[in-house]
Amino acid sequence: QKEVEQNSGPLSVPEGAIASLNCTYSDRGSQSFFWYRQYSGKSPELIMFIYSNGDKEDGRFTAQLNKASQYVSLLIRDSQPSDSATYLCAVYSWGKFQFGAGTQVVVTP
Amino acid sequence: EAGVVQSPRYKIIEKKQPVAFWCNPISGHNTLYWYLQNLGQGPELLIRYENEEAVDDSQLPKDRFSAERLKGVDSTLKIQPAELGDSAVYLCASSLDRGGGDEQFFGPGTRLTVL
Repeated sequence: QKEVEQNSGPLSVPEGAIASLNCTYSDRGSQSFFWYRQYSGKSPELIMFIYSNGDKEDGRFTAQLNKASQYVSLLIRDSQPSDSATYLCAVYSWGKFQFGAGTQVVVTP
Repeated sequence: EAGVVQSPRYKIIEKKQPVAFWCNPISGHNTLYWYLQNLGQGPELLIRYENEEAVDDSQLPKDRFSAERLKGVDSTLKIQPAELGDSAVYLCASSLDRGGGDEQFFGPGTRLTVL
């Protein structure tokens, strides 16, 4: 079992709709959770991070964390073609960052 | 503020040749990471430095890979000799780690092709 799991996609989302990305992790003691966006041929760029249970909003992005269920999600509202990318979930546990394999999102006009 | 700088951006070598990658982290960032990323996968940690100390190199193939971070700033990752399976993107990242997993910022990466 991988320590951080994501659906690989591709997740096809109509322009203007909400994209919902999920991530589960195995280490119950994980402390911090990050979402990165990676365009093809580019390096990952941080979108947002969350430490506490609940929701955290930043512009069109909302991260949701449920530590009891070991689940973190990312919602992208009003999806734009520029949101087409691979989204990486990263989990920090005791000095280590573990990355999921990423979910590819394709926003269709 | 300048981001993480890496060089070279691309490198093509023949197998059994040596190769080195260089990274300059964001100024003031105490923690530096080297990752390997294969196509369709997330980054995989090779080594993590806190200042000049390698605090996690458990995933570094030490028979052929080596790294150093002199003076706790720039870092170099070396492969000698390179194998076909080493073809990947090598990413450097840095963070100001205050102990709780602060966000890390990635450089543009070095795409290595081993022929």
